[in-house]
Amino acid sequence: QKEVEQNSGPLSVPEGAIASLNCTYSDRGSQSFFWYRQYSGKSPELIMFIYSNGDKEDGRFTAQLNKASQYVSLLIRDSQPSDSATYLCAVRVNDMRFGAGTRLTVKP
Amino acid sequence: EAQVTQNPRYLITVTGKKLTVTCSQNMNHEYMSWYRQDPGLGLRQIYYSMNVEVTDKGDVPEGYKVSRKEKRNFPLILESPSPNQTSLYFCASSSDRGYGYTFGSGTRLTVV
Repeated sequence: QKEVEQNSGPLSVPEGAIASLNCTYSDRGSQSFFWYRQYSGKSPELIMFIYSNGDKEDGRFTAQLNKASQYVSLLIRDSQPSDSATYLCAVRVNDMRFGAGTRLTVKP
Repeated sequence: EAQVTQNPRYLITVTGKKLTVTCSQNMNHEYMSWYRQDPGLGLRQIYYSMNVEVTDKGDVPEGYKVSRKEKRNFPLILESPSPNQTSLYFCASSSDRGYGYTFGSGTRLTVV
């Protein structure tokens, strides 16, 4: 079992819709959880982090964490074409492990 | 400007010719790490460092070496590169293990 698993996608949503990205992790000792966005040919960029169970909102982004289910999700409200990218889930115990990423396409 | 700087951005080399990819950060971060990214495999950690002179293996350390003699620098050394090390490499740093990494711009390495 991979340490961090994501659906590879691609996930396609229309402009203005909610995009939902999911991630599961295997290590129950994980303490910190992150979402990165990576545009094609660019480096990953941190967009959200969450440490406690529940929801954390930042603008159009909401991160959700359920440690009992070992599940992390990212919701993007009012999706824009500029949100089209690969989204990487990352989990940190001693150091950071990444999922393979979900490619999101937002269609105008 | 706070940043992680990698050099070179692009490198084509031949099998067996030793090379070093440099990484430097100006944020006084404790943690530094090297990842490689390959299609379908995502980001895989090569080595990481918790502080000066403290390093540990990641998931794919074979064929790589690192050193952390100064806090700001964390070079990646390929003593005898092989074609299966052709990849996109990222260096990253963070202030604490509770924080996310800041990534460099990447080094695209081709070994022929």
